[in-house]
Amino acid sequence: KQEVTQIPAALSVPEGENLVLNCSFTDSAIYNLQWFRQDPGKGLTSLLLIQSSQREQTSGRLNASLDKSSGRSTLYIAASQPGDSATYLCAVRRLGGGADGLTFGKGTHLIIQP
Amino acid sequence: ETGVTQSPTHLIKTRGQQVTLRCSSQSGHNTVSWYQQALGQGPQFIFQYYREEENGRGNFPPRFSGLQFPNYSSELNVNALELDDSALYLCASSFPGAMNTEAFFGQGTRLTVV
Repeated sequence: KQEVTQIPAALSVPEGENLVLNCSFTDSAIYNLQWFRQDPGKGLTSLLLIQSSQREQTSGRLNASLDKSSGRSTLYIAASQPGDSATYLCAVRRLGGGADGLTFGKGTHLIIQP
Repeated sequence: ETGVTQSPTHLIKTRGQQVTLRCSSQSGHNTVSWYQQALGQGPQFIFQYYREEENGRGNFPPRFSGLQFPNYSSELNVNALELDDSALYLCASSFPGAMNTEAFFGQGTRLTVV
């Protein structure tokens, strides 16, 4: 059974810092990994999708890497801003098991102090 | 905006009642999946519908059921509501077979069972 763990559970940093969020998964037979952002009480906003054959994806100040063999992904946020405050979730889709849906971690709750 | 819309946004029901939640998928997406997110947790996969058939299910009892319509919109039905069913219910649409099968989520329905 796939398990996804996110570390740290919570993080509070001053504005302007670069930061790294970590995600690990137990079964490396994944189709892809997706990072999401969730504002309080809201739905999920897709940030980045990394296919299993890819090593990283970039969008603006965000960069996500994937090391499938070690079961790890990181989300790097450059020059953090107060508007980045949210919960960040990672999720994996099992290889050949699209009908199994996504398996999520519990998220990292991020606060950027002005 | 993802193009995935859910209704209603909030709902209060009494234990033992039945509830129906609705989701309109993003244009062109033929697959809809549903997730339950308890407070402080990551979303948990309930089931997935592809071309009007359920083709995947998570660890949820049969009182959680669904439908998908020819226009790919979907319903989630929950019978005999329990207090633990209180959660944010999220709908996601995707297009399997496309290069990335990125999942796009709606804003969710907050269900409170009293």
